[in-house]
Amino acid sequence: DAGVTQSPTHLIKTRGQQVTLRCSPKSGHDTVSWYQQALGQGPQFIFQYYEEEERQRGNFPDRFSGHQFPNYSSELNVNALLLGDSALYLCASSLEGRETQYFGPGTRLLVL
Amino acid sequence: SQQGEEDPQALSIQEGENATMNCSYKTSINNLQWYRQNSGRGLVHLILIRSNEREKHSGRLRVTLDTSKKSSSLLITASRAADTASYFCATGHELKEYIFGTGTRLKVLA
Repeated sequence: DAGVTQSPTHLIKTRGQQVTLRCSPKSGHDTVSWYQQALGQGPQFIFQYYEEEERQRGNFPDRFSGHQFPNYSSELNVNALLLGDSALYLCASSLEGRETQYFGPGTRLLVL
Repeated sequence: SQQGEEDPQALSIQEGENATMNCSYKTSINNLQWYRQNSGRGLVHLILIRSNEREKHSGRLRVTLDTSKKSSSLLITASRAADTASYFCATGHELKEYIFGTGTRLKVLA
C-alpha cells in the first residue's frame, strides 16, 4: 500500500518563474491538502481539495493555485515566484470524514 | 498564522529519560494531533485526541488535553536516540483546516 508520494523532491527556480508540484495521495484517500513549511517553522495550510474542488483556503495569495484530478492526485502551482516562497511544500491526504492526515516526504523549493 | 505554540522550543535529554512537551492554542477545536518530523522531511502522525477526551495512550506516548486551558501535552517515556526529531501539535477545526504550532526540537543523547 503506497503512501503519499510527491515529486520532485528538490527544485531550484529563479524569481519570477512558475513552478508545479505534484502529489499522489495514499491509496483510497480522496482529500488532498497542501502546506508550506518555512525553515524552522511549522507547516502553514495553503488549501484543501476534495472532489476536484478547492474546499478551504489558508492565507495565501492568488499566485498559489491548485488542481485535483479525477484519480485524486493533485498539483500545486505557484506563479511569479518570490524569494520568500523558498520552503518545504508538503502534501497530505485523508479520507473524507476522517481526521487523520498522512503526509508525503515533501518537495523542497529554493528560489534564487 | 500559527495557532499553537509548543513549549519548550528545544529539549535535550539523556536516553531513557522522559520527554514532555506542551502545546497551547487559541480557539476552540474539534481535535488535536501530534506529529513527528525527522530532518525537515514529511510529518509522521503520532496520535489524535478529540475535544471530548482528556487523555490517550499509544505505546510510549501519552497525550493529555485540557480544553479549559486550551493546552495539550505530549509525554514520551523511556526515550531513545531514534526519538530525536521535531514534534508539532496541530489543531483540527470545523472547516477542515489544520493549524500547526511552531514545534519542539527534541534531542535524545545516547
